[in-house]
Amino acid sequence: GAGVSQSPRYKVAKRGQDVALRCDPISGHVSLFWYQQALGQGPEFLTYFQNEAQLDKSGLPSDRFFAERPEGSVSTLKIQRTQQEDSAVYLCASSFDPSQETQYFGPGTRLLVL
Amino acid sequence: DAKTTQPNSMESNEEEPVHLPCNHSTISGTDYIHWYRQLPSQGPEYVIHGLTSNVNNRMASLAIAEDRKSSTLILHRATLRDAAVYYCILTINNDMRFGAGTRLTVKP
Repeated sequence: GAGVSQSPRYKVAKRGQDVALRCDPISGHVSLFWYQQALGQGPEFLTYFQNEAQLDKSGLPSDRFFAERPEGSVSTLKIQRTQQEDSAVYLCASSFDPSQETQYFGPGTRLLVL
Repeated sequence: DAKTTQPNSMESNEEEPVHLPCNHSTISGTDYIHWYRQLPSQGPEYVIHGLTSNVNNRMASLAIAEDRKSSTLILHRATLRDAAVYYCILTINNDMRFGAGTRLTVKP
């Protein structure tokens, strides 16, 4: 079946703009994760959903970052009043259930804040 | 959190085996050892994982030391398509914390 998809693939925003990044997980996958990857570094955990419940948001860098998954499938990561330091690749991953350790990643959204 | 240590980079020749090491001296008894790789401009891709015993799949083999404080990812015959950053991660209950990984270069 289809893998994890993310849109847009690329986003350029002016400093101060709000952005919304979408993730479509693999159908039926209960768990969904967001990561932030700065250039030359490994992905860093942002937040985790189990169905529609956001169980861990300890990695969100500030209150400008907000994630939701209202119906337990598609998720949106919103960044308000973007700053230059928000420039990164934002990765979404899903897994079948909480006990399934393997995560399947999307291609990411590359965000550039000017 | 248990952490891993990997070399920043490694080189290999095409068609030769590659052994990618990972140290995890603070591993706990319930931590799984996961390997992912990330090709340029793509998201990370699952490679293999294990707990205590060595594991084999179509992509690679995972050799785990008896004390579990280190492991080695083995690519039996490297191809140009295997050039990527390889991450060794300790996980428990979906909690994955990536390090900087090892950048593998494969020379033709």
